[in-house]
Amino acid sequence: DTEVTQTPKHLVMGMTNKKSLKCEQHMGHRAMYWYKQKAKKPPELMFVYSYEKLSINESVPSRFSPECPNSSLLNLHLHALQPEDSALYLCASSQGTAFGELFFGEGSRLTVL
Amino acid sequence: ILNVEQSPQSLHVQEGDSTNFTCSFPSSNFYALHWYRWETAKSPEALFVMTLNGDEKKKGRISATLNTKEGYSYLYIKGSQPEDSATYLCAFIQGAQKLVFGQGTRLTINP
Repeated sequence: DTEVTQTPKHLVMGMTNKKSLKCEQHMGHRAMYWYKQKAKKPPELMFVYSYEKLSINESVPSRFSPECPNSSLLNLHLHALQPEDSALYLCASSQGTAFGELFFGEGSRLTVL
Repeated sequence: ILNVEQSPQSLHVQEGDSTNFTCSFPSSNFYALHWYRWETAKSPEALFVMTLNGDEKKKGRISATLNTKEGYSYLYIKGSQPEDSATYLCAFIQGAQKLVFGQGTRLTINP
């Protein structure tokens, strides 16, 4: 199984809502990533978990809260988002460090009204 | 933040023609360079991970070269097919777990 599964594929939320994005992989990978991609821009790194510990936070606003409950799961909790947070959120995993290839999910398309 | 530049931003190629595009990256503190193919409505898929100066890698009709001293990598597609239509992203490693992506080259193959 070489898949990274992200749910939901599409999410529309208001600025006062609380929602979560979920990511799952069963490849035994120990590093998991959240990237944000806006139209016509490259994916931008948000968070990295390594061995279930947060190792990189790219100064992401606290309205985005990552969680790694176990080595297969990665969540991104969303609260009080702004319309400018509308984007494609990509999850990825890798065996260890980013010296090896990343395996990506198809992304969750988020729209904040 | 170190920049990764890709050119051209978009490219239209006739089916059967060969093409290539460029990724430029900082030449200091090089660790590795990744190439990904991203088809619409799918997930980005790794093509190559390149680590050594002078590396040449090949997968079917697609190949890539790496020059770490001057900070560039070329991706070549030989005999383009419609299924090659995608955005091709390169990514530079900045630190052990931080992959910084270029904006991509959007390739369209015209039948």
